[in-house]
Formats: sequence, C-alpha cells, structure tokens
Amino acid sequence: EAQVTQNPRYLITVTGKKLTVTCSQNMNHEYMSWYRQDPGLGLRQIYYSMNVEVTDKGDVPEGYKVSRKEKRNFPLILESPSPNQTSLYFCASSLSLGQNPYNEQFFGPGTRLTVL
Amino acid sequence: AQSVSQHNHHVILSEAASLELGCNYSYGGTVNLFWYVQYPGQHLQLLLKYFSGDPLVKGIKGFEAEFIKSKFSFNLRKPSVQWSDTAEYFCAVNAGNAGNMLTFGGGTRLMVKP
Repeated sequence: EAQVTQNPRYLITVTGKKLTVTCSQNMNHEYMSWYRQDPGLGLRQIYYSMNVEVTDKGDVPEGYKVSRKEKRNFPLILESPSPNQTSLYFCASSLSLGQNPYNEQFFGPGTRLTVL
Repeated sequence: AQSVSQHNHHVILSEAASLELGCNYSYGGTVNLFWYVQYPGQHLQLLLKYFSGDPLVKGIKGFEAEFIKSKFSFNLRKPSVQWSDTAEYFCAVNAGNAGNMLTFGGGTRLMVKP
C-alpha cells in the first residue's frame, strides 16, 4: 500500500531534550515536506526537500532541522525543543516538482508533539 | 508572498443543509487550487483540485468548487451535507512561482448535527 508513515504518532517531551520525528514514504517520491498545524493557522511549511541531499526552508524553519540522505526518509529534528513547538506535525510527499502537471501531495497520519 | 484566507472558522449545519465554504487567495498569476479534508483524528485527504479548464470542479463525496479568477476565490460547496461530513476543511494554493509549495488557509471546522 502506497503511504507516508510517521513515528512517533504522539510524543510528550521536556524543553531542551533533542528529538527526531521520522517520516518515510514508499512511493519513490522525490519531493518531501514537513508542515506544522496550529489552530486557526492551517498548515505552515517548515522545510522541504526536492531530492536526496537537497533541502530548503519553508515558512517557519526556526528551531528545526531536516536531512535527506535517502529518497524515502525525511526526518525532522528538534535540537532543543521549546513549548512554542507544541503542535501537530505532518509529513508529505509527491512526485518531482512541476507546475504542469502539479503533483498531488500525500500526507502522513501526523505526529502530535507536546513540549513541557 | 501568497496567502490564503478562509473566513468561516466554524460552521454548524443540520443534515441536508447546503454548504458553502469561502476561500480567497492573494496571488495574481497562474495558480493551482485545492481543498483538503481532515476527519477527526485523521490525516489530510484531497477532496478536489483545479489546475485549468472548467472552473467548476467536482470532487469526491459530492463536493464541488468553483474557481472565480476575477474574485480570487475557490469556494467549496455541497448541496446536502451529512453527519459524516463533520471535519475540518482546508483550502490550499500552489502559485506559479512556488514549485511544489502549498500555502494553506487557516481551516474551517464544520460540524453537522444529525
């Protein structure tokens, strides 16, 4: 089954304790992206990757890091989490960049992170 | 930078009522437009999309949306809602100069009373 998986699904941690949220897709997609979802703000893009070893900042990259060593994996790293990073995080993937035709993004199930 | 506005944050309807959710965007060039739905506890699913052609697009589960270029709008409609349509709905825009980047609206939370 074609899917995007994220782990963990739920995480409670404390300020300053480094954490990693994993994202994996099995569709051979070049493009992967991380979003955070906050009430009333919709989804905001954190980082995206157009292919292996190619990453770039989205709208809200502060406090986050990513890496893309393999095509299928795109982990999100919080080196020193803070309470304002408490949010619901979604990973997404799609085929390569292209305006014509645009390639639909497929979303993972989400990771609910609480930073105390 | 492009932005997307969804003016209805919360909507409560009774079953069989008609639904229209507003979406306006701020980019003046070529756009691709989307509506996503998020059922409680689930991830986002694509309802429908507009790339070009007929401005009235039909999606899954009886939803449709109309692209009105002059109004920079892409409103979502359904003639008769069901209790199972209770969810949060997000409008999203991909602008011509933004690659694969999607900009989302703030979401509209729909509750349908049985």
